[in-house]
Amino acid sequence: SYVLTQPPSVSVAPGQTARITCGGNNIGSKSVHWYQQKPGQAPVLVVYDDSDRPSGIPERFSGSNSGNTATLTISRVEAGDEADYYCQVWDSSSDHLVFGTGTKVTVL
Amino acid sequence: QVQLQESGPGLVKPSQTLSLTCTVSGGSISSGSYYWSWIRQPAGKGLEWIGRIYTSGSTNYNPSLKSRVTISVDTSKNQFSLKLSSVTAADTAVYYCAREETILNWFDPWGQGTLVTVSS
Repeated sequence: SYVLTQPPSVSVAPGQTARITCGGNNIGSKSVHWYQQKPGQAPVLVVYDDSDRPSGIPERFSGSNSGNTATLTISRVEAGDEADYYCQVWDSSSDHLVFGTGTKVTVL
Repeated sequence: QVQLQESGPGLVKPSQTLSLTCTVSGGSISSGSYYWSWIRQPAGKGLEWIGRIYTSGSTNYNPSLKSRVTISVDTSKNQFSLKLSSVTAADTAVYYCAREETILNWFDPWGQGTLVTVSS
């Protein structure tokens, strides 16, 4: 089955840039979505279709996808960005929806 | 805007069937191009897709759970439901319902989630 691999953790100072990767075989051919999950809360969509933002999501959140890696970038990181982040794709070869392993972002 | 709310027992005995319902408000479950999905998350772990249903009744399930899962929809009540049979402690998790866009398959919005514990 299709596997999406994320780093377990990323640490970043306030005001700096956090980059969270999501690795998968030829993921650049798929549409990747990203979710933010704060403790005790449901996930929230922050980027869809590789690089689009839902309404209400700050422009500081951006995404890219090419080759075997998709990336969620959080610019000018704030304390409120501290959360778990998950990537997600639909694997059409197996008709199976897949989530990444998740990355905990810590703001120093 | 559309909101989703899970409901059901918080405690299920091993070998029994877990049953949850998701009530959709703020919009019709029959309108638009959406799937209606279930996702779960064991404590301290990642997200796992369980399956989805379209209002026509067509379903897709996670292959690892397919033999135990049934998802159904009741358009008259604006609800969809999850049944997971023969549960074990490994099925203890927070269960979320979510609306899934049909073409590119992202989830938005999600319900708040409900904790289901499997224990005797």
